[in-house]
Amino acid sequence: GAVVSQHPSRVICKSGTSVKIECRSLDFQATTMFWYRQFPKQSLMLMATSNEGSKATYEQGVEKDKFLINHASLTLSTLTVTSAHPEDSSFYICSARTSNEKLFFGSGTQLSVL
Amino acid sequence: AQKVTQAQTEISVVEKEDVTLDCVYETRDTTYYLFWYKQPPSGELVFLIRRNSFDEQNEISGRYSWNFQKSTSSFNFTITASQVVDSAVYFCALSGQMFSGGYNKLIFGAGTRLAVHP
Repeated sequence: GAVVSQHPSRVICKSGTSVKIECRSLDFQATTMFWYRQFPKQSLMLMATSNEGSKATYEQGVEKDKFLINHASLTLSTLTVTSAHPEDSSFYICSARTSNEKLFFGSGTQLSVL
Repeated sequence: AQKVTQAQTEISVVEKEDVTLDCVYETRDTTYYLFWYKQPPSGELVFLIRRNSFDEQNEISGRYSWNFQKSTSSFNFTITASQVVDSAVYFCALSGQMFSGGYNKLIFGAGTRLAVHP
């Protein structure tokens, strides 16, 4: 099946710093990618929908200035957590949609903000 | 509004037992998609199945089977002869249909943590 690579898998940073997470579709072009956040032992909550070449669509309650999404190419979307704080510590996971409407998920990024 | 309910928070079984994970959904869409994903301890999401709302045929894939009942808005997942490797969190998800015909964002249930003991 299609492969979605997410990097890094784990990151620890100091409060106030920015962290960039990459999501790449390795063997297909993804016009649409989705970013989810998962708190410990909770479900996945959609943060935003990223469309190649246009601005991301954010879900209600998600700060777009804090969670910057860039989908500059058909194979790469990035999520930047700006000025991260401990409450941003979470598991972030992306998914990419293929042209035949299948969804594949990345392996996730565990963010820990100290 | 769309909603997915997985009432079972945790299930514990002994190996070789059959186990059914429940999923009940709410949607006003006439066309929608239902999914099951597995999330092992490593964290990644593993796709198990996608079913569209027009296809109520039950499906079997090895030890896995799914029962889609539109009348009760349920999409239950059964693992037959469970194994320790089945231990994971299982998520049921729902998606509406976009104007373009593709499906949109996934709404996930809270997940059911399955522990299979030797």
